[in-house]
Amino acid sequence: AQTVTQSQPEMSVQEAETVTLSCTYDTSENNYYLFWYKQPPSRQMILVIRQEAYKQQNATENRFSVNFQKAAKSFSLKISDSQLGDTAMYFCAFMKKTGGFKTIFGAGTRLFVKA
Amino acid sequence: DARVTQTPRHKVTEMGQEVTMRCQPILGHNTVFWYRQTMMQGLELLAYFRNRAPLDDSGMPKDRFSAEMPDATLATLKIQPSEPRDSAVYFCASGSGGNTEAFFGQGTRLTVV
Repeated sequence: AQTVTQSQPEMSVQEAETVTLSCTYDTSENNYYLFWYKQPPSRQMILVIRQEAYKQQNATENRFSVNFQKAAKSFSLKISDSQLGDTAMYFCAFMKKTGGFKTIFGAGTRLFVKA
Repeated sequence: DARVTQTPRHKVTEMGQEVTMRCQPILGHNTVFWYRQTMMQGLELLAYFRNRAPLDDSGMPKDRFSAEMPDATLATLKIQPSEPRDSAVYFCASGSGGNTEAFFGQGTRLTVV
């Protein structure tokens, strides 16, 4: 069975600075996707970024980038130039590409961006 | 603008009552997930369907919960009888499998008193 671990329940960062959220996962699969979702106070789950396991290049979406270390099963999210609107819960998620595309989430990290 | 639609957004009910939550997945998506979110347990996968067939409902308490997809445009999650410990936000998400992520609805906040 797959597991996703986010070891930082809560973090804070000053506006305009950079913060990194950690995620590790455990799987015997070789073909899978990893995601970071953001959940602001509105409760809506919003996809931030995704990474395909077979791609060595780290995914980037504007101010968001990942550090994907497949051998170490690590998938951290870096937020650059943090903005007040980045304040939210962030969930790391794993989806295997076979057997129904089941998506498993970590416990989440609550991020506060301070003015 | 394609989105997953969940109804109701909020539900307050008395213990013992039946609760039905509905979800309209994005048109063309063939995979539907039901998640429950609580402070203590985070996001738990309750059940998921592919092409309307249940693939895995091992996360769901079978004695009181049931999930169905009567057709491709409707998924339901029913709790009967409801208990206070069922209070949570229930999310539906849909995907098309392959290389796409799950798209979430806005959730149903259930309070059982």
